[in-house]
Amino acid sequence: NAGVTQTPKFQVLKTGQSMTLQCAQDMNHNSMYWYRQDPGMGLRLIYYSASEGTTDKGEVPNGYNVSRLNKREFSLRLESAAPSQTSVYFCASRQGLGANEKLFFGSGTQLSVL
Amino acid sequence: EDKVVQSPLSLVVHEGDTVTLNCSYEVTNFRSLLWYKQEKKAPTFLFMLTSSGIEKKSGRLSSILDKKELSSILNITATQTGDSAIYLCAVPPQTGANNLFFGTGTRLTVIP
Repeated sequence: NAGVTQTPKFQVLKTGQSMTLQCAQDMNHNSMYWYRQDPGMGLRLIYYSASEGTTDKGEVPNGYNVSRLNKREFSLRLESAAPSQTSVYFCASRQGLGANEKLFFGSGTQLSVL
Repeated sequence: EDKVVQSPLSLVVHEGDTVTLNCSYEVTNFRSLLWYKQEKKAPTFLFMLTSSGIEKKSGRLSSILDKKELSSILNITATQTGDSAIYLCAVPPQTGANNLFFGTGTRLTVIP
């Protein structure tokens, strides 16, 4: 019953450092997503991948890159971390693109950039 | 611009109370509205509503959609401390858009 697995759970970076957040799902879902959650802002979409081999920008893509490595894995990279990227990051997946498809979330990564 | 607004932003109640959380939306071509519960970690799915006036129910939680008023409510009866969480409302923003657009959530705290 793993579902959506994210690593790491916590990370502290210095400004300018880079890192990659990893996400994997074992539900054979086609679509995968990266959100960030900030106080008072709700969940905002960074990037998504509708299917293996495709990625698209969401609402707040600046400062991030993504890779859909295969159907299971979708990683988020911060090339040069900034304090504004301090947030909780959630990976999510769902089977398809329909409006009635619910999202399944990972447990989140708490990232602090000093 | 698509918008989802939840109210109140936060709420503190005593165990046993009944609460009503509100979600209003403005989206092009409404198709569905989803409720999620977020405790310490991942949001977990509660309900999906597509038809106006039909109540979805799960134990002490229930939800209903009003397409005329562009809104939904989530009711929790006989609240327990385990109901303390952030409750999120979300809608797909537009036809074909591969996303869910989330409100900022209502933080519910249930005091023993």
